[in-house]
Amino acid sequence: DQQVKQNSPSLSVQEGRISILNCDYTNSMFDYFLWYKKYPAEGPTFLISISSIKDKNEDGRFTVFLNKSAKHLSLHIVPSQPGDSAVYFCAASRMDSSYKLIFGSGTRLLVRP
Amino acid sequence: DAGITQSPRYKITETGRQVTLMCHQTWSHSYMFWYRQDLGHGLRLIYYSAAADITDKGEVPDGYVVSRSKTENFPLTLESATRSQTSVYFCASRVGRNRVNEQFFGPGTRLTVL
Repeated sequence: DQQVKQNSPSLSVQEGRISILNCDYTNSMFDYFLWYKKYPAEGPTFLISISSIKDKNEDGRFTVFLNKSAKHLSLHIVPSQPGDSAVYFCAASRMDSSYKLIFGSGTRLLVRP
Repeated sequence: DAGITQSPRYKITETGRQVTLMCHQTWSHSYMFWYRQDLGHGLRLIYYSAAADITDKGEVPDGYVVSRSKTENFPLTLESATRSQTSVYFCASRVGRNRVNEQFFGPGTRLTVL
């Protein structure tokens, strides 16, 4: 039973446009959410995070939105750049489980020049 | 080299053989993790360690053994490799019980079990 789901395996957007990556979760006990970015043949790298007490966190071109009632979060990338082409993983954690990360299956983003 | 390294980067072995994947970090992070990445599953936690000599099971621990005698090293052993253990394995580390919970990942080891 996947507690963190990324239902879109892939997404293709034009350079300069907005990329929206979605993530759903089932466990209401999660209190921290993170996005990781992964290039081929490399390990994932941390991108942005959000606490469950917030509904938005912004870092440059990247913004994460959290809708707790819907158990849904999204990552917005504006404007999208070809270098953003990668696999994006959503992850969730709980303070009472040593902050172990539960990952979604990932969404492959392709930004077309 | 500073950071987190994994060795080997690629490994081909046969069913039934013992394989050890190495992970080394230079930050003295207290927490270390092993994940496997499979298509359609994302990254799944195999084992983690909160400190030297303290380890605990993750989501998919069966068939794997870990040890952590030193803070900087966290080897993962497949005692008798099976084809279902063909995967990409990532090691990660974290400072401690920090709220951000950012984990730093190594470059991965691609393991093929024939």
